[in-house]
Amino acid sequence: DAGITQSPRHKVTETGTPVTLRCHQTENHRYMYWYRQDPGHGLRLIHYSYGVKDTDKGEVSDGYSVSRSKTEDFLLTLESATSSQTSVYFCAITGKSSYEQYFGPGTRLTVT
Amino acid sequence: GQQLNQSPQSMFIQEGEDVSMNCTSSSIFNTWLWYKQDPGEGPVLLIALYKAGELTSNGRLTAQFGITRKDSFLNISASIPSDVGIYFCAGRLGIFGNEKLTFGTGTRLTIIP
Repeated sequence: DAGITQSPRHKVTETGTPVTLRCHQTENHRYMYWYRQDPGHGLRLIHYSYGVKDTDKGEVSDGYSVSRSKTEDFLLTLESATSSQTSVYFCAITGKSSYEQYFGPGTRLTVT
Repeated sequence: GQQLNQSPQSMFIQEGEDVSMNCTSSSIFNTWLWYKQDPGEGPVLLIALYKAGELTSNGRLTAQFGITRKDSFLNISASIPSDVGIYFCAGRLGIFGNEKLTFGTGTRLTIIP
């Protein structure tokens, strides 16, 4: 158990509304990641963080922003949700070995 | 973005059979990871490989880091019902300070009664 929680676990929202997903870790890991998982595409990196206030884009970052004001929390924001952002979102952290990633339980987001 | 070619995409086996799956890439990786995902859950790390040619076991699971660094293999011996799920490979590019992973599209394992 890597001590990762995500909230909410499920959310339904309307197109055009802002949405924020939260990832919380309890073990002071430096690296945190946001992925989305879609059929046929596998896991794709949205954004990642390598420290407080240090973030960078992944391969599918358009339409998403992130913030990390504390080591334990990494927030993913959809400024104006679209139907193409309906997906399952996973947060991950890099473990002590720095080579292994551990995933949270996921957030299922539906944009209607 | 790059994705790893994982095969087969799905497998239908009987309980007790052995399972083999593999993952190939056009790029070299310095680390290979294998994950299992159950429905409605996040991927769970099964095995991590760090050296070309390395063979690592975790119970009935055995994984190998290909000698060319462009592939990896996962074997499951004597499958049981709880092995059902989707198995993902992931490769780490290993650029200094870059901890990002590239994932395969998964192998779905189903056990036929």
